[in-house]
Amino acid sequence: GDSVTQMEGPVTLSEEAFLTINCTYTATGYPSLFWYVQYPGEGLQLLLKATKADDKGSNKGFEATYRKETTSFHLEKGSVQVSDSAVYFCALSLIYNQGGKLIFGQGTELSVKP
Amino acid sequence: DVKVTQSSRYLVKRTGEKVFLECVQDMDHENMFWYRQDPGLGLRLIYFSYDVKMKEKGDIPEGYSVSREKKERFSLILESASTNQTSMYLCASSLGMTGESPDTQYFGPGTRLTVL
Repeated sequence: GDSVTQMEGPVTLSEEAFLTINCTYTATGYPSLFWYVQYPGEGLQLLLKATKADDKGSNKGFEATYRKETTSFHLEKGSVQVSDSAVYFCALSLIYNQGGKLIFGQGTELSVKP
Repeated sequence: DVKVTQSSRYLVKRTGEKVFLECVQDMDHENMFWYRQDPGLGLRLIYFSYDVKMKEKGDIPEGYSVSREKKERFSLILESASTNQTSMYLCASSLGMTGESPDTQYFGPGTRLTVL
């Protein structure tokens, strides 16, 4: 079935370090791909998305490229800040087959130390 | 901006009680969703709805029911709460099959439910 796999956390980085959170997916159709972020005590917020192969989503210094050949959508940021500490979820959507349901990875907790 | 609100941020109930969690969205979205979030398990879909009075089971519907009498409101009901339903509950909505970003989901702040 359709699924999303993320690298396990927690990930601990120093401020200004480079961030990569790996995400790979399995899907029978042509999914849209998402990264959501959850700050402590809050709901999820959309961080970025990509709807087709080779699209790059970007927001707040974060980027992810939709790689169909490797079925991946890795999240990157060149220089993390303490305020980026949160849980990050990768997700896919097969809207035409599944009515817009999102399938989430298990989440990766990021902790950035000053 | 899309706003999704949930009736309570924190809730404490006793085993066997009937529990109602309410969710309201203000953007005329077609789709609404209920998830529960548990450490190490990510988000799991409980129920979702494509339209008023319409509902479909998600991955873990057992012990839950839902109601959607109006387009903007989607309620999650725990008929007889049990301790294993202690969790964070998240509501979300999305546009549906039309619009520029039909499948982007917008989330409420969550309700942390404790069942004693």
